[in-house]
Amino acid sequence: GDSVTQMEGPVTLSEEAFLTINCTYTATGYPSLFWYVQYPGEGLQLLLKATKADDKGSNKGFEATYRKETTSFHLEKGSVQVSDSAVYFCALRGAYSGAGSYQLTFGKGTKLSVIP
Amino acid sequence: DGGITQSPKYLFRKEGQNVTLSCEQNLNHDAMYWYRQDPGQGLRLIYYSQIVNDFQKGDIAEGYSVSREKKESFPLTVTSAQKNPTAFYLCASSIRVQETQYFGPGTRLLVL
Repeated sequence: GDSVTQMEGPVTLSEEAFLTINCTYTATGYPSLFWYVQYPGEGLQLLLKATKADDKGSNKGFEATYRKETTSFHLEKGSVQVSDSAVYFCALRGAYSGAGSYQLTFGKGTKLSVIP
Repeated sequence: DGGITQSPKYLFRKEGQNVTLSCEQNLNHDAMYWYRQDPGQGLRLIYYSQIVNDFQKGDIAEGYSVSREKKESFPLTVTSAQKNPTAFYLCASSIRVQETQYFGPGTRLLVL
C-alpha cells in the first residue's frame, strides 16, 4: 500500500537558518503530495501541495518540488523564523482505493524548533 | 468566516461511557473525515463520508460510530468498545473525496 517516510525529528535550528525536511513516498500511479503544518494544540493547516511531477508548491516562504524520479517531496525554507516552530506532516493522496475512497496517507511528522 | 469547528476542545470520558465529538463545517463541502492522532504518529483515518447519509469505515473504525444526517455535520461517537480512546481527534472536509482536505482545530479526549 501507499506509505510516506519523513525524516525523524526533532529538528532544532537557529533563526535565519536554512531548513530541509526530507519526505519520500511509495505509491502506485500518480499521487498528489501535500505538506501540512500543526502548531501546538491546534489542527493541521495546509501549507502547500503539488499534484503532478515537477510541480513546485510554495507558500509563506516554504517550497517543495514533486520529484517522481526520486519519489520525493522535500520541504525547504531559506530562512526560518521562531514562528515556524511546529510539527510538519508530509502526506499523499493516492489513486482511487475503492468504496469511493481517495485515501490520504500521512508521515509521522517532524517537529521543528527554531531558537532566537 | 468559513471554516470547520470542533467541540469541545477537551473532553473527558469515564470508563464504560460513550462520548460524542462534534464537527461542523460551513464550507459547503460534500466530503468529511475523522482522523485520530497519537503522540509521535501520523494521522489515521477512522471514518469518512462522501455525501449526506453515506459513510465508510477507514483503517481504525472499531469502537467508533458516525452519522451524516446533514451536510454540515459529521459527529463522531467514541463507544465503550474503544479500549484506548485517549488521543487527539481531527475532523476534516473537502469539496469532494478526491480534493484537498482542510482540518478543524481538533478535540483532545482523555480518559478519567
